[in-house]
Amino acid sequence: QVQLQESGPGLVKPSETLSLTCAVSGGSISSDSWWNWVRQPPGKGLEWIGELYHSGSTIYNPSLKSRVTLSLDKSKNQFSLRLSSVTAADAAVYYCATRERGRMDVWGQGTTVTVSS
Amino acid sequence: QSALTQPASVSGSPGQSITLSCTGTSSDIGGYHYVSWYRQHPGKAPKLMLYGIGDRPSGVSDRFSGSKSGNTASLTISGLQAEDEADYYCSSYTSGSIWVFGGGTKLTVL
Repeated sequence: QVQLQESGPGLVKPSETLSLTCAVSGGSISSDSWWNWVRQPPGKGLEWIGELYHSGSTIYNPSLKSRVTLSLDKSKNQFSLRLSSVTAADAAVYYCATRERGRMDVWGQGTTVTVSS
Repeated sequence: QSALTQPASVSGSPGQSITLSCTGTSSDIGGYHYVSWYRQHPGKAPKLMLYGIGDRPSGVSDRFSGSKSGNTASLTISGLQAEDEADYYCSSYTSGSIWVFGGGTKLTVL
């Protein structure tokens, strides 16, 4: 069974770039799955950020597209999220998840990101 | 792409059946079979409960069932249990090739 683990700085300054990584274990990032990022601001609902395939194809939420970059590192079996020009509105728990067809069936435990100077 | 619409809260007593709704448009729920439901307990990651409208992943109780009518999807929980108290989110594929979540429903077991 695939397992996912997010990692990255828990504190980011306003206007800087947030960078998170999701390590994949128990499976290959080159499998027939899409690798997703979802976030959840404190006390609010889930927001889909985007996803990527092992071929390098990416799809982004239009509301974040201008600031988001997803990438993967096959040698390390992990994928990453970069979100530029962060503001307080980007503070959230960030989850990585794997999607096969219509279902995100494996999720990481989530990592909390605070935006503050 | 707007979020799917879910009631903010629903409550029920142990043993009862409750139904959670999730309303979208013909560009998401109404147009595709890719509707899924997630349960989230406080401080935990979401857990997939249903996909493909009404299919259950291995290990999910058959007390959970799903359906769709037009632009609205529904999750029914029968034989409500204390452990069912959580936030529930629906999700759908959209015509923009992106995924969208509902705002979530807080289920309280009385």
